[in-house]
Amino acid sequence: GENVEQHPSTLSVQEGDSAVIKCTYSDSASNYFPWYKQELGKRPQLIIDIRSNVGEKKDQRIAVTLNKTAKHFSLHITETQPEDSAVYFCAASQSRGNNRLAFGKGNQVVVIP
Amino acid sequence: NAGVTQTPKFQVLKTGQSMTLQCAQDMNHEYMSWYRQDPGMGLRLIHYSVGAGITDQGEVPNGYNVSRSTTEDFPLRLLSAAPSQTSVYFCASSPEPGVFYEQYFGPGTRLTVT
Repeated sequence: GENVEQHPSTLSVQEGDSAVIKCTYSDSASNYFPWYKQELGKRPQLIIDIRSNVGEKKDQRIAVTLNKTAKHFSLHITETQPEDSAVYFCAASQSRGNNRLAFGKGNQVVVIP
Repeated sequence: NAGVTQTPKFQVLKTGQSMTLQCAQDMNHEYMSWYRQDPGMGLRLIHYSVGAGITDQGEVPNGYNVSRSTTEDFPLRLLSAAPSQTSVYFCASSPEPGVFYEQYFGPGTRLTVT
């Protein structure tokens, strides 16, 4: 099955700086890559996703890039703010797969004011 | 819409006890799933359903049963609780019978097995 890995496990950034989280996946058939944000004690919530027919997608301060050849995708957060502090999960799945979304183990992002 | 709801929010069980975690959604979503979240392990899929009457196993199904008699409800049953099942359990739903779309998560159930 699909194996998704995230690096680094913990990331500390100064407020206003950029944060980048990278994920790698194993199954070349995967074609859907969402990112979920989970604040402390809360449920995971989708913040951005990308499908394999595009290489980059932006939504205000958040962007995701996809490199299908290298089988990795990254989350970019610019102008970080304290409310960006959370655990971020990447995931991967196939549109014609086994109906399973494989999650990475999560990255703790800490924004230092 | 209430979205995805889960009950109870907290539960403590003794080893060997059984119980059912409830999950319901009012968005008429076809796809529903159960995940467990353990520290440093991310979200692991337990069971999922692509529609009423259809269920399948995920990554870590042992010790759990599910059924899907209606579109709205997807209960998770622990047959004989073990300390290894101490975890936070999330139910999620999606509008399409697959995982190619946003998963809407419930608030979670924190389970402790002693």
